[in-house]
Amino acid sequence: SQQGEEDPQALSIQEGENATMNCSYKTSINNLQWYRQNSGRGLVHLILIRSNEREKHSGRLRVTLDTSKKSSSLLITASRAADTASYFCATERGSNYKLTFGKGTLLTVNP
Amino acid sequence: GAGVSQTPSNKVTEKGKYVELRCDPISGHTALYWYRQSLGQGPEFLIYFQGTGAADDSGLPNDRFFAVRPEGSVSTLKIQRTERGDSAVYLCASSPTGAHEQYFGPGTRLTVT
Repeated sequence: SQQGEEDPQALSIQEGENATMNCSYKTSINNLQWYRQNSGRGLVHLILIRSNEREKHSGRLRVTLDTSKKSSSLLITASRAADTASYFCATERGSNYKLTFGKGTLLTVNP
Repeated sequence: GAGVSQTPSNKVTEKGKYVELRCDPISGHTALYWYRQSLGQGPEFLIYFQGTGAADDSGLPNDRFFAVRPEGSVSTLKIQRTERGDSAVYLCASSPTGAHEQYFGPGTRLTVT
């Protein structure tokens, strides 16, 4: 079963614009992670935010977490064509590190 | 260094056949995970190994699926009596002890005809 739901399902923007993707989940978590997937194959870890954190930055990425609303957002600033990919949020809960993924947001950045 | 590798990259098999999918994790990573991803969906957890033992196999859909990691490194996912519904991309990931981020391989695309 999938824990998270990303919103929107698809997003198309112009190069240089910012892209915001949202994720909602259902149960309490240890942390929430964002991954990128190109061409439907391997995923690449982008950023992790712990349940006691509210905001985190990494380069052009900004992630927020609101545990009261059980939601997170990923902001990519100054987007590039190379950012075109599917983005997934994944939650970790319990003690065994397994991840529960959402359905993903397909981001298209047009040059 | 070398990332997670998976073989084969593509596998086409007939309904009812047995298949084995292999995962070579990053050297030194003690944790290994298998996920399955259907078209348009996110990856779904299958099984998690810590060392040689399966720490959590709650995601295996039924007893046709089995995975091993006999020496705590390479893992094999085995599927018996394949069904068309087993068609998906099977992803393997590994991580160091205590780490939360996972490093994924490129996946094996399994097609059951």
